Amino acid sequence: DARVTQTPRHKVTEMGQEVTMRCQPILGHNTVFWYRQTMMQGLELLAYFRNRAPLDDSGMPKDRFSAEMPDATLATLKIQPSEPRDSAVYFCASGLRTGSAGNTIYFGEGSWLTVV
Amino acid sequence: QKEVEQDPGPLSVPEGAIVSLNCTYSNSAFQYFMWYRQYSRKGPELLMYTYSSGNKEDGRFTAQVDKSSKYISLFIRDSQPSDSATYLCAMSAGETSGSRLTFGEGTQLTVNP
Repeated sequence: DARVTQTPRHKVTEMGQEVTMRCQPILGHNTVFWYRQTMMQGLELLAYFRNRAPLDDSGMPKDRFSAEMPDATLATLKIQPSEPRDSAVYFCASGLRTGSAGNTIYFGEGSWLTVV
Repeated sequence: QKEVEQDPGPLSVPEGAIVSLNCTYSNSAFQYFMWYRQYSRKGPELLMYTYSSGNKEDGRFTAQVDKSSKYISLFIRDSQPSDSATYLCAMSAGETSGSRLTFGEGTQLTVNP
């Protein structure tokens, strides 16, 4: 059963600390997304990659957020320094761009971040 | 103004009711329309997928797209308590897999036994 795997599932950290979230996309998927979900804003796209290259990170606060794909099986989202307003659920999703319609993206279970 | 508008609810219905969920959008470039279901403390999962205007039926679920009105709907027939979740509409201008999706804020649905 292929699925997107995210770690950690839950994280509580103090303001100012570095937070790193990791994602293992579905094997063979070439596009990876990072979304953030809050009650106020809903699901917001932070960044996405295709074939490990960043395509769009305009939704991400550049001063404190960074996203990378060190290899095809790992995507990371880092927040440094973290702030209470970063408290949210961070979802990773992956998809396969093949040029044909009918495919979609699959979400992980999310990383629940609380910054105190 | 958001590109995709969705009434957040909450919506509460009795078991067996027909549920209608809706989204409106402003971007004429959107061609791919999806509905995701999200259970509490879980990630969104794809429920329905439609390309361009028209209807699509899958069991108790029917998705409708009216591009001329920039309006999409999801109907749930014979609703069940297990349908209780948040339903998110999502749209894309390009092919869905590998193209960014723009989401509505979600409608919280409760189906009461």
